[in-house]
Amino acid sequence: SQTIHQWPATLVQPVGSPLSLECTVEGTSNPNLYWYRQAAGRGLQLLFYSVGIGQISSEVPQNLSASRPQDRQFILSSKKLLLSDSGFYLCAWSGQGPIPTDTQYFGPGTRLTVL
Amino acid sequence: AQTVTQSQPEMSVQEAETVTLSCTYDTSESDYYLFWYKQPPSRQMILVIRQEAYKQQNATENRFSVNFQKAAKSFSLKISDSQLGDAAMYFCASMDSNYQLIWGAGTKLIIKP
Repeated sequence: SQTIHQWPATLVQPVGSPLSLECTVEGTSNPNLYWYRQAAGRGLQLLFYSVGIGQISSEVPQNLSASRPQDRQFILSSKKLLLSDSGFYLCAWSGQGPIPTDTQYFGPGTRLTVL
Repeated sequence: AQTVTQSQPEMSVQEAETVTLSCTYDTSESDYYLFWYKQPPSRQMILVIRQEAYKQQNATENRFSVNFQKAAKSFSLKISDSQLGDAAMYFCASMDSNYQLIWGAGTKLIIKP
């Protein structure tokens, strides 16, 4: 069966510091991968999605970037964190291949606090 | 652009009773998918149920079922025999033609023992 991992689970970082959040998927190949951010008590905002290695689409201009160095690895990064980057970050996967299937499955999330 | 509306910020139900969460959506697509996700206090987003718009039959997963009214663009979730573990935020979502999920604002479900 497929599983999705995220780490770290919790992170507290000072303003201006770099960020690296990692997401990996097991049990499937060539998944579509997604990064979402959720502010407290709010819905999800899609940040990035990827249909293959090195292929990243950005949905929202911001202080963050994403990379996909391996088929089942998706990384969210920032060179300098802002206070507004605080939130809950969720990674998700779906489908196989460049044509995505309809259902996304989510990882456990990372709670990021920028002080 | 597609929109998803959940008009109930919070709902409460007595344990073992039935509760219905409302969701309406707006789309110009003829074929699409609809979802209900559950987010418990752990905040992991868990798929509850999925509906394909071209299927007239309402989806069912154990105690969870939907009332899908395509013409009215309504997609409500019914939870039967509510359990304490059902307490969570419930999000309705639709998938657009670019395979992106459009999310509602969520409904907080409280289960009273």
